[in-house]
Amino acid sequence: ETGVTQTPRHLVMGMTNKKSLKCEQHLGHNAMYWYKQSAKKPLELMFVYSLEERVENNSVPSRFSPECPNSSHLFLHLHTLQPEDSALYLCASSQKGGQLLTNTQYFGPGTRLTVL
Amino acid sequence: AQTVTQSQPEMSVQEAETVTLSCTYDTSESDYYLFWYKQPPSRQMILVIRQEAYKQQNATENRFSVNFQKAAKSFSLKISDSQLGDAAMYFCAYRGGETSGSRLTFGEGTQLTVNP
Repeated sequence: ETGVTQTPRHLVMGMTNKKSLKCEQHLGHNAMYWYKQSAKKPLELMFVYSLEERVENNSVPSRFSPECPNSSHLFLHLHTLQPEDSALYLCASSQKGGQLLTNTQYFGPGTRLTVL
Repeated sequence: AQTVTQSQPEMSVQEAETVTLSCTYDTSESDYYLFWYKQPPSRQMILVIRQEAYKQQNATENRFSVNFQKAAKSFSLKISDSQLGDAAMYFCAYRGGETSGSRLTFGEGTQLTVNP
């Protein structure tokens, strides 16, 4: 399934580096999400963008900075990360509101991030 | 706050047999949506099946079906005629109604092994 793509698929960075994760959706959706998946923990919602406006920020440290320039693209800018930030970062998109068929979230393949 | 509980960290099934994965949730809402996602070793999160709480009829998708018990707040997934490709981590997820935003709350997952 190529409806939601993420790049890079793997990223290794030092604690002083600055990097960005990119997500692109080709489904015509208007809401996009960032999730963090750590080992042995449920997926954690980080940010929600609806119509390019951030509508939810779940107490995420400021070293994570999201950007949504348009309804098809979502970025997660990373700087001065910690080793405990190593995880799989998943992007998802959906149509905001509406019935079940339209509000279902579809996920990208994720970026495996390792912070040394 | 809504919570989703998957009480079976691991399950196994013989190929061609049937297996049921459990999921319970806690909510005070009457209008909501429930989902099962699978995450194979590729880490791609794939939608398996979805259910609207106001529909009494259980959702089915080919070999996958759910047993939705609204009063008991239970949403189990039944996989019939299990195949080797069904081996994955399965996540149950909850999404509130229109007034609750678009947040998905995930359970901790059940790792399903399919034995040949």
